[in-house]
Amino acid sequence: EDKVVQSPLSLVVHEGDTVTLNCSYEVTNFRSLLWYKQEKKAPTFLFMLTSSGIEKKSGRLSSILDKKELSSILNITATQTGDSAIYLCAVHYISSGSARQLTFGSGTQLTVLP
Amino acid sequence: GAVVSQHPSRVICKSGTSVKIECRSLDFQATTMFWYRQFPKQSLMLMATSNEGSKATYEQGVEKDKFLINHASLTLSTLTVTSAHPEDSSFYICSARVGEGPNYGYTFGSGTRLTVV
Repeated sequence: EDKVVQSPLSLVVHEGDTVTLNCSYEVTNFRSLLWYKQEKKAPTFLFMLTSSGIEKKSGRLSSILDKKELSSILNITATQTGDSAIYLCAVHYISSGSARQLTFGSGTQLTVLP
Repeated sequence: GAVVSQHPSRVICKSGTSVKIECRSLDFQATTMFWYRQFPKQSLMLMATSNEGSKATYEQGVEKDKFLINHASLTLSTLTVTSAHPEDSSFYICSARVGEGPNYGYTFGSGTRLTVV
């Protein structure tokens, strides 16, 4: 069965700490892996990763995909209270012939304390 | 950028009634829309994939007669929760794929908080 697993499920840190969130997947016909940040409503897009080993960076956030290990990490450096959110990993893949799927992991609830 | 407008953002309904949620792609054509459901502190669970002009594909365990999906045009998909019950209370979000080839992404509606009393 295709699946996406995130760890840890929750994380509490203090401002200034660096965190690493993990996402692993087992899917057929992988296409891409996406990271989202969800605060109160709909998820907001962070990164899309398709190639292994190429780091994507946006400010204090960065992410990289390892296709050999079927995993990705999301790093946040110098965390701020505004980084508190659920971070969702989603994998886009082709299943059942040509059906395109976007399956989400369980999410990591990050809490950054002042 | 591509925007999906979802309405209503919040709805409270009585048990046994039906509720319709709309998602419109405002500046692009969405041949495929995805409908998700999210319980508190949990991830988004795919309910169904709707394709314009054809029947939706439902995920295992999702009752298609209860969650009616219609994708009659390239810019509108609707989810109707029929005979709603308190356990249907949840956050429902739609999403559409934007772009083709290597440069694609997904855009989400703002979500609908459904409370069934």
